[in-house]
Amino acid sequence: QSALTQPASVSGSPGQSITISCTGTSSDIGSYNYVAWYQQYPGKAPKLMIYAVSIRPSGISNRFSGSKSGNTASLTISGLQAEDEADYFCSSYTGSTNLVVFGGGTKLTVL
Amino acid sequence: EVQLVESGGGLVKPGGSLRLSCAVSGLTFRTAWITWVRQAPGKGLEWIGRTKDKTNGGTTDYAAPVKGRFTISRDDSKSTVYLQMNSLKTEDTALYYCTAGFCIGTTCHWDDAFSVWGQGTMVTVSS
Repeated sequence: QSALTQPASVSGSPGQSITISCTGTSSDIGSYNYVAWYQQYPGKAPKLMIYAVSIRPSGISNRFSGSKSGNTASLTISGLQAEDEADYFCSSYTGSTNLVVFGGGTKLTVL
Repeated sequence: EVQLVESGGGLVKPGGSLRLSCAVSGLTFRTAWITWVRQAPGKGLEWIGRTKDKTNGGTTDYAAPVKGRFTISRDDSKSTVYLQMNSLKTEDTALYYCTAGFCIGTTCHWDDAFSVWGQGTMVTVSS
């Protein structure tokens, strides 16, 4: 069982917006503003999309945004495109023995 | 361009050992913290351990499932990080990635945001 809880799947039509939630605890997401989101295509390595809750690395489309409230973080993708179809993983720094915990992943399907 | 290249994966019997390597280029290796993450087939990502740079003590931290069995080391002269895996279990079967964070100015994200990844090396533990 993964430490952070994500929905197994979400879907949306091109042009729509979707939000993926990532629920942790007061020991991880609730304590640190160090939530990251990764995009992963089948057979490929993960790609950093968001870090420090809401910061986009250089080169990442502004269609991707992140936020956090309490123990839950969220990734919103606006203006869905076919190329956004992938798996998305959240992570949080914990400061404890397991320094980083990941979510189980969410499969995004663009209808 | 920053590149991380893993090698050393393969098939090993339960109880066996394997050493993975992660060759790093394109960044100042001696100041980099390198993390190992694994992904079991069809599953999510799992943080398994990290080595700090020598300026910060070169210390290592490990996830509970691998602590005492896995050891991370680094050779700054070769810009390479190693993951020595002993007493392997079937549940260690996974694709093993090495990855690294980054610094922007004086703010570093070595432990919380992994911006560069290798292609992964597959470890299969089976009798």
